[in-house]
Amino acid sequence: DAGITQSPRHKVTETGTPVTLRCHQTENHRYMYWYRQDPGHGLRLIHYSYGVKDTDKGEVSDGYSVSRSKTEDFLLTLESATSSQTSVYFCAIRGQGEGSPLHFGNGTRLTVT
Amino acid sequence: AQSVAQPEDQVNVAEGNPLTVKCTYSVSGNPYLFWYVQYPNRGLQFLLKYITGDNLVKGSYGFEAEFNKSQTSFHLKKPSALVSDSALYFCAVRPSNDYKLSFGAGTTVTVRA
Repeated sequence: DAGITQSPRHKVTETGTPVTLRCHQTENHRYMYWYRQDPGHGLRLIHYSYGVKDTDKGEVSDGYSVSRSKTEDFLLTLESATSSQTSVYFCAIRGQGEGSPLHFGNGTRLTVT
Repeated sequence: AQSVAQPEDQVNVAEGNPLTVKCTYSVSGNPYLFWYVQYPNRGLQFLLKYITGDNLVKGSYGFEAEFNKSQTSFHLKKPSALVSDSALYFCAVRPSNDYKLSFGAGTTVTVRA
């Protein structure tokens, strides 16, 4: 799957705890994205990165932060998990070619109890 | 800001019949348009894209899509559906001068034998 690994694949955590999801790519792509998928909403962009240490907010960024200290890794942190953040989280990467599509990882299913 | 509408939550067709999944979009400037498919418990797979040029684009697994600028639509089509085409389909758009890709809510396609 385009050299993208998400970890963990599944996680159950309690309300109020911090959680970090990791996305690792072996494609050396510049652009990386975090989306969440919820029924009836499709995929919604949380944060994205256009280079090392260059990140920006998406449409549902409240309660989330990201870091990208090297090209291959893009971390998503839920600062204090809430039940509304129970979701499936997808990482995606994109090359620099004009109109290059996103390629997605297999997702992380997060449950906040 | 850009947006995507997939007006049908579900599409049901018989195997061998034509399949159409509808998508309309709103974007400032020139659109880059994409279709993705998601099988159960998997990530999203890229099917096809429209960047510029011929309004009819062909993609993977026999799918094609027609870009209609005046109607701001990008409908996905397949002349003869297979049971294995049963999946969740997403339309997505981003402006040519932006990083962010926005998705529709998705359409569940069921092809009955």
